[in-house]
Parts: sequence; structure tokens; C-alpha cells
Amino acid sequence: DAGVIQSPRHEVTEMGQEVTLRCKPISGHDYLFWYRQTMMRGLELLIYFNNNVPIDDSGMPEDRFSAKMPNASFSTLKIQPSEPRDSAVYFCASILVRGFNLGNTEAFFGQGTRLTVV
Amino acid sequence: GQQVMQIPQYQHVQEGEDFTTYCNSSTTLSNIQWYKQRPGGHPVFLIQLVKSGEVKKQKRLTFQFGEAKKNSSLHITATQTTDVGTYFCAGSYSGNTPLVFGKGTRLSVIA
Repeated sequence: DAGVIQSPRHEVTEMGQEVTLRCKPISGHDYLFWYRQTMMRGLELLIYFNNNVPIDDSGMPEDRFSAKMPNASFSTLKIQPSEPRDSAVYFCASILVRGFNLGNTEAFFGQGTRLTVV
Repeated sequence: GQQVMQIPQYQHVQEGEDFTTYCNSSTTLSNIQWYKQRPGGHPVFLIQLVKSGEVKKQKRLTFQFGEAKKNSSLHITATQTTDVGTYFCAGSYSGNTPLVFGKGTRLSVIA
């Protein structure tokens, strides 16, 4: 398997523009996570899905952020409108959970999208 | 919310010196995982500890889980330049909750 695939790798956009980040999880994995990484806050969990259904979006910072998972092989994280403080590296991760051990399973991260909002 | 505190934030060592990073939680963890992120890279799973007092080794890396399952450490013996990166601990507070990541310790190794 190619692993978790994210696109684009780098995105530079102007404040106010819409940004869409994409993720393809590992085939067969049943959980998908979106994280944001900054120097100040480290790795923050934004939202996660189980079998394409959003389970917890309490980490989404504002209504400007939204995420979807229309099928098992694709997810998007959208920021509209974008602001300079959204500049960060955004990671997608997927896991295959056996039974109920959500926190007991290795997470596979994508390469990340480095977002710069100017 | 629940937090996993990790120290130090940065560590600079001479090649050949040892390195340790520590994670602490105010409440008992179900398990703890460790990840390594190379500069410009993404977190990669290293190991998971589940049992109280557990110690695991991977070559020069030694991982420990405290008896109370509230703290953990990663020790690297005789660091090498290939050890450079940020090491994250990630704890779970029950088997059915997602991992909570510490902020990581960034290791620099001076040759």
C-alpha cells in the first residue's frame, strides 16, 4: 500500500480564499483523523471519522473549518475563508481498529500539507 | 481536556551523549505510544506500551511506562545524527478514545 496520501504537499493562498486539503487513507482502514501541527500548539486533533461518519469535531477551531468523508477512500478539510493564523502543517492519519481499541492502535500519518496563508 | 505533558521541549546533545524525554499525565493512561518525526517529515510510530512498569527496547532506544501508568520515558543511548527529529508521546485514556499527543521533544545532535 502507498500509505496515507495527502494533497497538495504545499499550499500558499491569500487571506480570504477557500482552501481544500485532501486525504486518501490506507485501504481498509476504518478511522481517519485530521490534525493541525504548529510550533505553539503541537499536534492538535481537529476531527475524526469512523466508517466515513464524523465522530468528534470538537477540535475544529471555528466554523470556517469543515471536513467531509464522502467515501472510505477520500476525505477533505476545507477552510473558508482562510486567515493567516491558519498557517500550519495539516496531517491526515488513518488506523485500522480491531474491536474497540481506538487508542490502542498504531496511527499512520500522511506526508502532510504545509499551508501558508498570506 | 486531558493533556499529556512532555519535557523538555528542546534538547541539544553532542553525538555519543545520551538523551531522555519524559511524558506525564495527571490521570491514568490506558496505553502510551511513541512517534518520531524527522525534520520536514511526518510522525512515524515507534512503539506502544500497555502494561504498568513495562520496559521495551529497540536497539539504542529504551521505552518505559510508569508503575502508575501516568508517565513514560524514552531514552536514547549514544545518540547519532540519524536520531535527529521530534519525539512525541501519545496517550490514550481509554481503549475507545483517540490518542492525545504531547507537544514533542525536538532533538538536535551535534556531530
